[in-house]
Amino acid sequence: DTEVTQTPKHLVMGMTNKKSLKCEQHMGHRAMYWYKQKAKKPPELMFVYSYEKLSINESVPSRFSPECPNSSLLNLHLHALQPEDSALYLCASSQDRGWGQGARYEQFFGPGTRLTVL
Amino acid sequence: GDSVTQMEGPVTLSEEAFLTINCTYTATGYPSLFWYVQYPGEGLQLLLKATKADDKGSNKGFEATYRKETTSFHLEKGSVQVSDSAVYFCALLKTSYDKVIFGPGTSLSVIP
Repeated sequence: DTEVTQTPKHLVMGMTNKKSLKCEQHMGHRAMYWYKQKAKKPPELMFVYSYEKLSINESVPSRFSPECPNSSLLNLHLHALQPEDSALYLCASSQDRGWGQGARYEQFFGPGTRLTVL
Repeated sequence: GDSVTQMEGPVTLSEEAFLTINCTYTATGYPSLFWYVQYPGEGLQLLLKATKADDKGSNKGFEATYRKETTSFHLEKGSVQVSDSAVYFCALLKTSYDKVIFGPGTSLSVIP
């Protein structure tokens, strides 16, 4: 299984709602990532989890709250979002992170969740 | 800082035309280089990769060679198809960081 899956595919929410995005991989990868992609732009890194611990938070507002309950799952909890948070949210995973060379750091992306905040 | 530059397009080609999308990078050390493709309404797929100088990545008729002397990783395909219409992102990954650094993306439209 060389796939990263994300649910839901589409999500529409109001500014007062609480919702969650889910990401799953069964490749045994120990690093997982959340990216945000606005239309016609490249993805921007939000969070990195390594061995189920948050290792990077790219100064993301607290209305986005990541969670990594186990090595295969990554959630992104959403609360009190703004319309400008509407975007495609991509999850990715890689075998490892660290200090050597090699293709094991390549990141595999999921299909994304398209979020619309009304 | 590290960065990736690529032609932004949009690029419009006729079917069976030759494709080149230029990509150059700025980075210290020895990054790995990637091309990702994003079809309309979908996530990113890894198209090809190269991890050291002079490596050639290839997949689905696409090729790119890691040229350290010119800091380039240009994407080529000899004969494009309508199904190749997508946005192509050149990217680098510094092995000491987790952040994939993407270029701005190049939108390709192939017309019959």
